[in-house]
Amino acid sequence: DAGVTQSPTHLIKTRGQQVTLRCSPKSGHDTVSWYQQALGQGPQFIFQYYEEEERQRGNFPDRFSGHQFPNYSSELNVNALLLGDSALYLCASSLGGQGGGYTFGSGTRLTVV
Amino acid sequence: GDSVTQMEGPVTLSEEAFLTINCTYTATGYPSLFWYVQYPGEGLQLLLKATKADDKGSNKGFEATYRKETTSFHLEKGSVQVSDSAVYFCALKPPNFGNEKLTFGTGTRLTIIP
Repeated sequence: DAGVTQSPTHLIKTRGQQVTLRCSPKSGHDTVSWYQQALGQGPQFIFQYYEEEERQRGNFPDRFSGHQFPNYSSELNVNALLLGDSALYLCASSLGGQGGGYTFGSGTRLTVV
Repeated sequence: GDSVTQMEGPVTLSEEAFLTINCTYTATGYPSLFWYVQYPGEGLQLLLKATKADDKGSNKGFEATYRKETTSFHLEKGSVQVSDSAVYFCALKPPNFGNEKLTFGTGTRLTIIP
């Protein structure tokens, strides 16, 4: 049973560029949440997608946007990258947004230079 | 707003020692509480959870009790192993339906030496 799959695993971008990160949820899950984990910190909630709509959003600027596809997979887009966007981006999937039943992927390590 | 405060790390213990990692929280009502573990190069794995006051979550020898009176959810293990070396995160989810945001502490790095 495949868990949450994220791609790519590592990425290096230049300041000002745009990036797209991808997530495939665990089989049977329909809800995807994205978190940003800076080095040495706990994950910070970016947003959650359910039924192809953004259902809840954390305290992140509009440069961070997302999308959920009919097969429940999701993308996180970040525009106008800043050095401070360098972090591990984690995707978590769950069923029907049921709190606590989250399965996390291994993350995408984004480095902005 | 909601917040989670964890014991400062890093924590280094000898194998078979007793472990306590303190966690306190600030939230409205009765949030659900969690401990997640992160091994090097990996994502987060749910270790245990508790959804109401006085509940005890347990898994793999780890335990934590939801204490509403002290707003705490301390993680304990009676005898740690080298394989327990990882970063541990305490987290909460608000009780209100539709609010799925997990709020995490800053994490506690645990190293177990043989």
